[in-house]
Amino acid sequence: DTGVSQDPRHKITKRGQNVTFRCDPISEHNRLYWYRQTLGQGPEFLTYFQNEAQLEKSRLLSDRFSAERPKGSFSTLEIQRTEQGDSAMYLCASSKKTGTSGREQETQYFGPGTRLLVL
Amino acid sequence: AQSVTQLDSQVPVFEEAPVELRCNYSSSVSVYLFWYVQYPNQGLQLLLKYLSGSTLVESINGFEAEFNKSQTSFHLRKPSVHISDTAEYFCAVILRGPGGSYIPTFGRGTSLIVHP
Repeated sequence: DTGVSQDPRHKITKRGQNVTFRCDPISEHNRLYWYRQTLGQGPEFLTYFQNEAQLEKSRLLSDRFSAERPKGSFSTLEIQRTEQGDSAMYLCASSKKTGTSGREQETQYFGPGTRLLVL
Repeated sequence: AQSVTQLDSQVPVFEEAPVELRCNYSSSVSVYLFWYVQYPNQGLQLLLKYLSGSTLVESINGFEAEFNKSQTSFHLRKPSVHISDTAEYFCAVILRGPGGSYIPTFGRGTSLIVHP
């Protein structure tokens, strides 16, 4: 399978613990995005990378949230001191740089998500 | 700030009937528009997209959407639905703002329920 993969698929943690999620994008894609999705809502954009550069992070929900993509391949999303309100599905997506049209990079392909439950 | 409005949270319809899922967005600058579908217990899948060119775009499974700039809409239609079309449908907008800002925005989703 050459799609976007995420690990773990499910995570249960206690309030106050730190959690880290991993995303592996499609191999030729240089952009990587993180979203949060809560029940009954659409995905909420958090941040994105182009290669290893984090180009937009103003939508990260608080300073407890951070993301990295050190080598421009896989990415991690960390939530420190988790709260019950952090319970959600965390989605990763990737897109390729350009095709014949520069606009093609706007097409995102999503992974299956990591479902987080904070007790 | 841009926003995406999906006016119907749930659309029940009988099999083989036509359907329209509505999507309006707030931005008037250059936008890219998408519909994603999420089948039960599956991840988001791209259904169709408008990046440029023809304002009418089609998917391989019979859906189509038309970009209407004057009405800032991107409604999704299908002339005859199947039971297998039962899913959650999300409209998404990507705004390219001045200074290179980039904020993808999704609607809340519309649940299409096809009855036999």
